[in-house]
Amino acid sequence: EAGVAQSPRYKIIEKRQSVAFWCNPISGHATLYWYQQILGQGPKLLIQFQNNGVVDDSQLPKDRFSAERLKGVDSTLKIQPAKLEDSAVYLCASSLAGDIQYFGAGTRLSVL
Amino acid sequence: GENVEQHPSTLSVQEGDSAVIKCTYSDSASNYFPWYKQELGKRPQLIIDIRSNVGEKKDQRIAVTLNKTAKHFSLHITETQPEDSAVYFCAASIKGGGNKLTFGTGTQLKVEL
Repeated sequence: EAGVAQSPRYKIIEKRQSVAFWCNPISGHATLYWYQQILGQGPKLLIQFQNNGVVDDSQLPKDRFSAERLKGVDSTLKIQPAKLEDSAVYLCASSLAGDIQYFGAGTRLSVL
Repeated sequence: GENVEQHPSTLSVQEGDSAVIKCTYSDSASNYFPWYKQELGKRPQLIIDIRSNVGEKKDQRIAVTLNKTAKHFSLHITETQPEDSAVYFCAASIKGGGNKLTFGTGTQLKVEL
């Protein structure tokens, strides 16, 4: 089966600019997750969707980060404005029934 | 919330030796414990997982043990090979509670020839 698709793979922006990441989960997977992975650390959950509803966004910095999954399939994560500390890999994952999570290759963001 | 600690942060073994990575968790309600392998620049890939209703699970050269009383679980890799070199992450979650994964900080495993 096709895996979780993410784009772009890499992004370099100046601080205070905005950026958006896109994720297409595995077909049929109702649950979608966005993680932030800072270099040398484990992934940290930012937001979890069940279909098009938010299940958990307790660790999402809502003053600058937003995410949506309007039709319950694809999702976008946006940062506006970006800060230096947002430099990280942003991973998207999906699962069929909130069970095993399959990860995408991630988007590596560098904020200069 | 859940807190997962992982040790060691780096591990170097000779090819053919065994490697053990240990994790502890804080929330006694956690009942699902996956292990992910992440090669440099690639996606985390699930290699094995265990649920709280079993104490051990094995898949070829990889095994995971769980001690619910002590709230710790371990990954065991036997007969290590150079292709086992990667970063390994443990995680814990409450299945049924959205399966929000809390990850450990990772172990860089290097298998030397």
